[in-house]
Parts: sequence; structure tokens; C-alpha cells
Amino acid sequence: EVQLVESGGGLVQPGRSLRLSCTASGFTFGDYAMSWVRQAPGKGLEWVGFIRSKAYGGTTEYAASVKGRFTISRDDSKSIAYLQMNSLKTEDTAVYYCTRGLGEYPYLDYWGQGTLVTVSS
Amino acid sequence: SYVLTQPPSVSVAPGKTARITCGGNNIGSKSVHWYQQKPGQAPVLVIYYDSDRPSGIPERFSGSNSGNTATLTISRVEAGDEADYYCQVWDSSSDHAVFGGGTQLTVL
Repeated sequence: EVQLVESGGGLVQPGRSLRLSCTASGFTFGDYAMSWVRQAPGKGLEWVGFIRSKAYGGTTEYAASVKGRFTISRDDSKSIAYLQMNSLKTEDTAVYYCTRGLGEYPYLDYWGQGTLVTVSS
Repeated sequence: SYVLTQPPSVSVAPGKTARITCGGNNIGSKSVHWYQQKPGQAPVLVIYYDSDRPSGIPERFSGSNSGNTATLTISRVEAGDEADYYCQVWDSSSDHAVFGGGTQLTVL
């Protein structure tokens, strides 16, 4: 059974940093691209970015709203994807979902339960 | 950047057919994927590549895509289908994923 479990969310002050982790199980992690999607309170889904599998270069793409502030990385030996968030803004407040997919498979077939990030002073 | 437009809400009586649209410039040339999100839960993929269903998704869910409009069709709607539905495409010109704004389906 595919499982994605996010961790690392919480309350953080504007301008500070936070790192989210996504621990995967139930599939060969290294074979898949991994993505992050967020949802602000009461709002729709917003794609944040993704990291390709090593077979496709392991490169990353980001939404314009986070490019230059957020970094996605992966550790295939541990089956973990990371979202490093720097220079956080109040508008980054959202539930952050770890998802499998994009790139070779342009859809998101499995989602974690999400972790809430609140940016507030 | 590529824009997807969905109606904010759709209402349907139980047992009837619901159609949720997703508009985009020449969207028929792209693959469209659909997600269902119930309150307090993570989204679930219900349709991928325009009309394919993941395992476990009822046959009542179907999709089509042509011209400037993609459509998610839910036949014989049940109370349990009440949720927000999002369309999504991959914009290869920017290497970005794009979501529609979402449609709230209400079962009367």
C-alpha cells in the first residue's frame, strides 16, 4: 500500500525557515517524481513544485510564487522528499501536501494527509 | 501562464447526472486529470489522461476532453459524491502543473 506521510509543519514567524519532510512507503521511491501541493485555508489547490526521479535528472521545477525561496530535494536511500521553505510570508500559510507524480506521469496519483504551516507573528 | 476555469458550484439531485467543466485554451490538446476532495480530507485522483479511472473509482465517474472544454461527468449521483472537484493539466511550455479553481458539487 502506497503511503505518504508529511511532517515538520507548525507555526513560524514571517521571514523564518521551515523544512517539511515526506516519508514514502509501499513503492520504489526512486522511480517516481515527487511533488508538493498546498492549500490555503478555504482556498483551492496550488501546485508548489516537484522533483524528477534520478532517471530524469533529479531536476526541480517551482511555481513562480515560491521560486527562489523554496527548495525541493530527495533522499532515495531513505525514501524521503523534502520541502525547504525560506523567507516565509504570511501568504504561505496553508496545508502542504506531498504527492507522487508529475513529469513522466503528469498527474498526482497518491497524496499524503497534509501538514499545516502557519506563518504568523 | 496557462489558466483553467471551473464553475464555482454545481448542484444536482440524487440519481441524476452531474457535469463539471474545465475550460482552457485548446485544452483538448492536453491531458486533463481530475481530483475529488471531501471536507477535511486530502484530494483523491478520480480521472487521469482525460478519461481513465484509477482502480477503486466507480464507473459512474467518466471524463471527456475536446476543444476548449474538458468535462467530468458523474452519473447516478450519490450523497457521498458531494465534494470539491479540481481539474489539472501539465503545461509543457512552462514545466508547471496547473489546477483549476475548483468546483463545489452539492447533492440536493
